[in-house]
Amino acid sequence: ETGVTQTPRHLVMGMTNKKSLKCEQHLGHNAMYWYKQSAKKPLELMFVYNFKEQTENNSVPSRFSPECPNSSHLFLHLHTLQPEDSALYLCASSQDSGQMNSPLHFGNGTRLTVT
Amino acid sequence: AQSVTQLDSQVPVFEEAPVELRCNYSSSVSVYLFWYVQYPNQGLQLLLKYLSGSTLVKGINGFEAEFNKSQTSFHLRKPSVHISDTAEYFCAVSNAGGTSYGKLTFGQGTILTVHP
Repeated sequence: ETGVTQTPRHLVMGMTNKKSLKCEQHLGHNAMYWYKQSAKKPLELMFVYNFKEQTENNSVPSRFSPECPNSSHLFLHLHTLQPEDSALYLCASSQDSGQMNSPLHFGNGTRLTVT
Repeated sequence: AQSVTQLDSQVPVFEEAPVELRCNYSSSVSVYLFWYVQYPNQGLQLLLKYLSGSTLVKGINGFEAEFNKSQTSFHLRKPSVHISDTAEYFCAVSNAGGTSYGKLTFGQGTILTVHP
């Protein structure tokens, strides 16, 4: 149990579908993150939320739409994705993104395949 | 801009042998440094971090790393590995002078395979 739970674990979707990834943390943290892990590429930060406010959008295409209704939940809404968007999407949380001694706690990820 | 280079994509070793996973970084500002481990089908777990102070940092599972500012390196070491250490290891940095410490720049990862 990592304290950060992601659902679903696996998702296969067509390019015209709309789906959502869900992340929930039970650690009392105030910051949440989406990272993308593609094969043979370094992990890429996508979005950061701190106290429910988006503080970072790392030039992510608009077909990815994050939502953070409260400090415990983070969603990633997906629509009209491309096959190159297939990857492992990792959610993470930390106490506060503005505190240096606040390590990231990662979930186990959602393996997304776009067909 | 920051970058992280993990010099070896794969490192095979035998059980009980020592191992070193190499990490070099590039940054125009001071950085914090991290090593994470990812076991198959799991997320990343923090092994250790360097924020300030002693340049030799000890982490979980018997791992340690040494920050070398002049060589801009943060190599990970373990004196005797176990089969259970087989995993992918990621080096990462964040901007020490910034306001978003969760904004990590990761290396490409090193797959450590421990053979019996």
